[in-house]
Amino acid sequence: EAQVTQNPRYLITVTGKKLTVTCSQNMNHEYMSWYRQDPGLGLRQIYYSMNVEVTDKGDVPEGYKVSRKEKRNFPLILESPSPNQTSLYFCASSRWGDHEKLFFGSGTQLSVL
Amino acid sequence: LAKTTQPISMDSYEGQEVNITCSHNNIATNDYITWYQQFPSQGPRFIIQGYKTKVTNEVASLFIPADRKSSTLSLPRVSLSDTAVYYCLVAGNTPLVFGKGTRLSVIA
Repeated sequence: EAQVTQNPRYLITVTGKKLTVTCSQNMNHEYMSWYRQDPGLGLRQIYYSMNVEVTDKGDVPEGYKVSRKEKRNFPLILESPSPNQTSLYFCASSRWGDHEKLFFGSGTQLSVL
Repeated sequence: LAKTTQPISMDSYEGQEVNITCSHNNIATNDYITWYQQFPSQGPRFIIQGYKTKVTNEVASLFIPADRKSSTLSLPRVSLSDTAVYYCLVAGNTPLVFGKGTRLSVIA
């Protein structure tokens, strides 16, 4: 089954404790991206990657890092999480050249205390 | 980057046709218009995409006027299961910027 898999589904952590949210897709998609969703603000793009070893900032990249060492994986790293990063995070992928047709993961609800 | 504006919310009765309009006055020549549906606790799901005129699939229709400064998602005969948030995305290049979405509530 074609899918984008995010882990964990829920995460509670404390300020300053580094964490990684994993994202993996099995569709051989070139394009992958991360979004955060907050009430009243819709979906905002954090980072995106057009292919392996190619990443770029989205709308709200501050406080986040990403890496794209393999085509299927695109982890989101919070080096020093803060409470304002409490949010619902989504990973998505698509074929390059058709990158508006995104396949989304089920989301990761992150709470930073 | 094309900014989109949608109504915040809409209500409809079951069996009615629902039209959700998205404004995108500064759409670029190479921008496509894409609509997504999101249920609570799930990721958004692609519904339909178009460039101009009309596109129809098994889920919805998308109407785009000649000037492309707006688009209308049409959901025929909605049911309770169509209650969701609908997002309009206008993009041709990265990064992608979603609007705030329209919350559709279908009432029995």
